Amino acid sequence: RKEVEQDPGPFNVPEGATVAFNCTYSNSASQSFFWYRQDCRKEPKLLMSVYSSGNEDGRFTAQLNRASQYISLLIRDSKLSDSATYLCVAGRNFGNEKLTFGTGTRLTIIP
Amino acid sequence: NAGVTQTPKFRILKIGQSMTLQCTQDMNHNYMYWYRQDPGMGLKLIYYSVGAGITDKGEVPNGYNVSRSTTEDFPLRLELAAPSQTSVYFCASSHRDKPYGYTFGSGTRLTVV
Repeated sequence: RKEVEQDPGPFNVPEGATVAFNCTYSNSASQSFFWYRQDCRKEPKLLMSVYSSGNEDGRFTAQLNRASQYISLLIRDSKLSDSATYLCVAGRNFGNEKLTFGTGTRLTIIP
Repeated sequence: NAGVTQTPKFRILKIGQSMTLQCTQDMNHNYMYWYRQDPGMGLKLIYYSVGAGITDKGEVPNGYNVSRSTTEDFPLRLELAAPSQTSVYFCASSHRDKPYGYTFGSGTRLTVV
């Protein structure tokens, strides 16, 4: 079983719609969680950290469910510029050592 | 503030050649990492370092070597390049005490022919 699992997609969503991704992690000792965004042929970039109480950054909302060991990302009012691959990430300790990356969920926003 | 800088951006190697991928960061990060990403695949950890003078293997270390003589630099050495090492290589760094995840370099696209 992979440490971090994501639905690879692709998700093809009309502009303005709401889309949600889930991700599961297998290591119950994981302490830090993130969502990264990776554009085609570019490096991954941090989208947002995921906190236990859930957190929001503009149109993006991240949730953590420790009991079920899953992380979610919700994108509201999707824009064409949201088209990218979204990577779910879990870490074993607070200090960012050796984060484990999921293989990513590909999202395409359709005009 | 340059962040994480990787050189070269592109390289074509012949089978059996060697090369060093350079990575430097100017954020005073403790941790540094090397990943490879094959087309349509996830990131695989090659080597990582928690500080100057300390390195450790990731999940796919065979065919590679690293060193960490300074906090800033973490070069990746490919010895006897093979076609299986054709990939995109990303260097990343992070701070031990700040929960901001990794900062990645822009990558090196390597083709071995």
